[in-house]
Amino acid sequence: EAQVTQNPRYLITVTGKKLTVTCSQNMNHEYMSWYRQDPGLGLRQIYYSMNVEVTDKGDVPEGYKVSRKEKRNFPLILESPSPNQTSLYFCASSFTLAGEQFFGPGTRLTVL
Amino acid sequence: ILNVEQSPQSLHVQEGDSTNFTCSFPSSNFYALHWYRWETAKSPEALFVMTLNGDEKKKGRISATLNTKEGYSYLYIKGSQPEDSATYLCASLSGSARQLTFGSGTQLTVLP
Repeated sequence: EAQVTQNPRYLITVTGKKLTVTCSQNMNHEYMSWYRQDPGLGLRQIYYSMNVEVTDKGDVPEGYKVSRKEKRNFPLILESPSPNQTSLYFCASSFTLAGEQFFGPGTRLTVL
Repeated sequence: ILNVEQSPQSLHVQEGDSTNFTCSFPSSNFYALHWYRWETAKSPEALFVMTLNGDEKKKGRISATLNTKEGYSYLYIKGSQPEDSATYLCASLSGSARQLTFGSGTQLTVLP
């Protein structure tokens, strides 16, 4: 089944404790991205990747890192999480930049 | 940052009513316009990807039109059903950008 998976789905952590949210797609998509969703603000892009080893900042990259060592995986790293990073996070992938995005199931992160 | 606006923010309609929402985006250097349907506790799912001025797309009772010269798209739902209740997101891609910019969505509630 073609899909985008994210783990974990839910996470409660404390300020400053490094964490990684994994994202994997099995559709051989080149374009992958991370979004956060906050009430009233819609989806805002954090980082995106056009292909392996090619990543770039989105609209809200501060406090996040990403890597794209393999085509299928695009982990999101929070080196020192803070409470303002409490949010719902979505990973998405597509064949091309303009193509329809396939979203993962979301990760609800709470930073205390 | 590209400014994508959606209206109304929320909408309640009776079962059987037809309804429509608007997505406004900058018309300069337009490349593509996406519509997504986002049900509560699920992930956004693509409805339409539109690229040509005057384009019209249809999927069942849902259709969309695109005016790239004036920078707007309409999403229409004919004969709304309770299962149409969701948030409808649009996203715009300009030729100079390498990322989709999402609007904050229209939350539709269809009352039985």
